[in-house]
Amino acid sequence: QVQLQESGRGLVKPSETLSLTCTVSGGSIYNNYWTWIRQPAGKGLEWIGRIISSGNSNSNPSLRSRVSMSVDTSNNQFSLKLSSVTAADTAVYYCARELYDTDYYLYIESWGQGTLVTVSS
Amino acid sequence: DIQMTQSPSSLSASVGDRVTITCRASQGISNYLAWFQQKPGKAPKSLIYAASNLQNGVPSKFSGSGSGTEFTLTISNLQPEDFATYYCHQYIGYPATFGGGTKVEIK
Repeated sequence: QVQLQESGRGLVKPSETLSLTCTVSGGSIYNNYWTWIRQPAGKGLEWIGRIISSGNSNSNPSLRSRVSMSVDTSNNQFSLKLSSVTAADTAVYYCARELYDTDYYLYIESWGQGTLVTVSS
Repeated sequence: DIQMTQSPSSLSASVGDRVTITCRASQGISNYLAWFQQKPGKAPKSLIYAASNLQNGVPSKFSGSGSGTEFTLTISNLQPEDFATYYCHQYIGYPATFGGGTKVEIK
């Protein structure tokens, strides 16, 4: 069973860049799709984007201009950067693994424990 | 974006009850629908994908059905560990989107 662990700064100032890393253990980062999801306190879930080990990625159009994702295969990690943050970006950020279903659509199979990022001066 | 609407937003039930949660999509999504369970302060847990397929290790007391725009999650023989918030999620549209959640509380 793959395990995912998010890490990164928990406090980011407005207009700065949020940076998070997800470490994958118990499985390979190769040939898998990795995704980021966030959840503001007391609210619902928002899909941020996904990346595959080759580095190809796509992201939510609502965030695309501010999102950057990367993969570090040597350390079995993938990362998220979100630029020009505001208080609205305060949330618990989750990394997750996606798998193909029988029709080759990607569904979320496993989740990291999440990490709270607060945007405040 | 495809909007996902869950009903009810909350419900109260007793141990041993059977409960059903409904999720409606703003447009047809075939069966590309997943369900998650989330307990307070914890990460979501994947329960079901492709509308009715249980994730590994998920007990058969959870079942999902539906296709197109209307889906249901049924939980049989509700136990204390089942009291949580449940989310539906469509993964055919871009971007993927989630329902607003249904909180299942103890009566």
